Amino acid sequence: EVQLVETGGGLIQPGGSLRLSCAASGFTVSTKYMSWVRQAPGKGLEWVSVIYSGGTTYYADSVKGRFTISRDNSKNTLYLQMNSLRAEDTAVYYCARTTMGGVMDVWGQGTTLTVSS
Amino acid sequence: QSALTQPRSVSGSPGQSVTISCTGTSSDVGGYIYISWYQQHPGKAPKLMIYDVSKRPSGVPDRFSGSKSGNTASLTISGLQAEDEADYYCCSYAGSYTYVFGTGTKVTVL
Repeated sequence: EVQLVETGGGLIQPGGSLRLSCAASGFTVSTKYMSWVRQAPGKGLEWVSVIYSGGTTYYADSVKGRFTISRDNSKNTLYLQMNSLRAEDTAVYYCARTTMGGVMDVWGQGTTLTVSS
Repeated sequence: QSALTQPRSVSGSPGQSVTISCTGTSSDVGGYIYISWYQQHPGKAPKLMIYDVSKRPSGVPDRFSGSKSGNTASLTISGLQAEDEADYYCCSYAGSYTYVFGTGTKVTVL
């Protein structure tokens, strides 16, 4: 069964750092594009970042320079390293298997990040 | 990277059809075929309903259809059913390897 499971969310103070993980099963992360999408409380979806199968990475302007997407092929796991966190980064973070053109066909259940003092 | 514009809400009675618009610019919706639509029930992860403007993934009922004209994409739900009540989001490739979602539309089945 194809599945994604996110972990690592929590309560962090502004300016802090956190790493989210997304463990994949049923397919190989390194052969697919993988994305992170977030949803602030009561708000819509926001694309955050994508890593292509070749390893190239891209980011939304709102997180560029602060967030880093990566993967561990041996663990079949996707990561999102988040630094210099702000209150506006508070959201549920989803990872999604992504195909050509940004088609996100498999989603995880999400993990919640709260940035607050 | 401004969000695509969707109506805040649409509603219809069971069996009726509703259409959700998704308006962008020539730099996103108008410039590419990479338009997808997602359904999200409260507290759940989004689910892919339409991709590449009008293609349906396996398992999605043919009541759901997509189209595009100029800078506006549309999702139509025909034969509305109670389980279709959810939030719907469009998403477009926006160039430079970035993507943008719509503001989201709440579909209410009366």
